[in-house]
Amino acid sequence: GQNIDQPTEMTATEGAIVQINCTYQTSGFNGLFWYQQHAGEAPTFLSYNVLDGLEEKGRFSSFLSRSKGYSYLLLKELQMKDSASYLCAVLRGGGSYQLTFGKGTKLSVIP
Amino acid sequence: KAGVTQTPRYLIKTRGQQVTLSCSPISGHRSVSWYQQTPGQGLQFLFEYFSETQRNKGNFPGRFSGRQFSNSRSEMNVSTLELGDSALYLCASSSLTGTGAEQFFGPGTRLTVL
Repeated sequence: GQNIDQPTEMTATEGAIVQINCTYQTSGFNGLFWYQQHAGEAPTFLSYNVLDGLEEKGRFSSFLSRSKGYSYLLLKELQMKDSASYLCAVLRGGGSYQLTFGKGTKLSVIP
Repeated sequence: KAGVTQTPRYLIKTRGQQVTLSCSPISGHRSVSWYQQTPGQGLQFLFEYFSETQRNKGNFPGRFSGRQFSNSRSEMNVSTLELGDSALYLCASSSLTGTGAEQFFGPGTRLTVL
């Protein structure tokens, strides 16, 4: 089965750093994605990790530990526009493309 | 390159009716997936098509079905609508080439069942 856990809500201050954690238990693993979704909009791709370690992309970084079934998304220099839901999703392997999503973490950035 | 498009954007139906939603993937993308998004359950996988073949199906009843055409466009159909089918239906396409192979999402179809 598939089980992906992430906090439901988080609040952080503009200019600060926030870390959103994701733990997963899945049958088959072919990578982990992070998506950002603003209210009323479609999810947009942020990052993809398939090997252990840290991937940095501007203000956003994502980390993966496959042995621990753990990932985090790090957002630096928070801006008001970063207020959104952040979705962790695991890609199952085995010849088909199936993403299993966590329920998302709603991040509120306050002044 | 044009993004993923979905039609219609909004739809209101009554219980018992059926509905067909359409998705046009990014040009060159052959994998199309469908998801249902509700406030309580989040994004849930419905099915994935690749080269006109359904490769995987999520845990939804048989009332939910889909197909993919030779030009990679896809449709999903929901028959005998129930109130609980009210949701945002998202379509996503992927090239499945290179590393990452992220899915690109369309704007979704907001279905309301009365």
